[in-house]
Amino acid sequence: DTAVSQTPKYLVTQMGNDKSIKCEQNLGHDTMYWYKQDSKKFLKIMFSYNNKELIINETVPNRFSPKSPDKAHLNLHINSLELGDSAVYFCASSQRPLSNTGELFFGEGSRLTVL
Amino acid sequence: GENVEQHPSTLSVQEGDSAVIKCTYSDSASNYFPWYKQELGKRPQLIIDIRSNVGEKKDQRIAVTLNKTAKHFSLHITETQPEDSAVYFCAARPANNLFFGTGTRLTVIP
Repeated sequence: DTAVSQTPKYLVTQMGNDKSIKCEQNLGHDTMYWYKQDSKKFLKIMFSYNNKELIINETVPNRFSPKSPDKAHLNLHINSLELGDSAVYFCASSQRPLSNTGELFFGEGSRLTVL
Repeated sequence: GENVEQHPSTLSVQEGDSAVIKCTYSDSASNYFPWYKQELGKRPQLIIDIRSNVGEKKDQRIAVTLNKTAKHFSLHITETQPEDSAVYFCAARPANNLFFGTGTRLTVIP
């Protein structure tokens, strides 16, 4: 009974392609996030949505576009993939925005490899 | 924005010994400091956290200390076991975002 699930778990694609990663949480949380973990294990936030509204948008190329159809889902679409996009992308959720709560619940990660 | 530095980047200890990981932060507005553990190929998971109105918190073999004046906080693991081997991340929250340190790879040698 996975709390935060994301698909696919592995994604191998060519430069220039467009790909999407999907995320769903069944915890009833209001806030969802996308984090990028590079090869050096550095975890950096990309986006955060609270009740389908964008609340955090860090300096991320326009090629990355999040979409939240409802508060249980936050998908990530990436256009024109580049080699530097290779990383593990983690979806996460929290009960409320991080200003009011602490714990992030992470998904299992989606390892994207761009060739 | 907040800048979190974490040391050491790698740490090896003998089973049964203690391990200490240290972090510093830059934004005095940070008021919440969680620690996450990430086992190989797995997701990061919260193991302990501390708020700025507390100086120390303990949960069995794990403890965290916070020095607000010096802007640093530390994770202490006592009586380490092989299953403690993982990457540990500290983080600091100044407002509505969590800023993570660069991680410490802890290896417990049986």
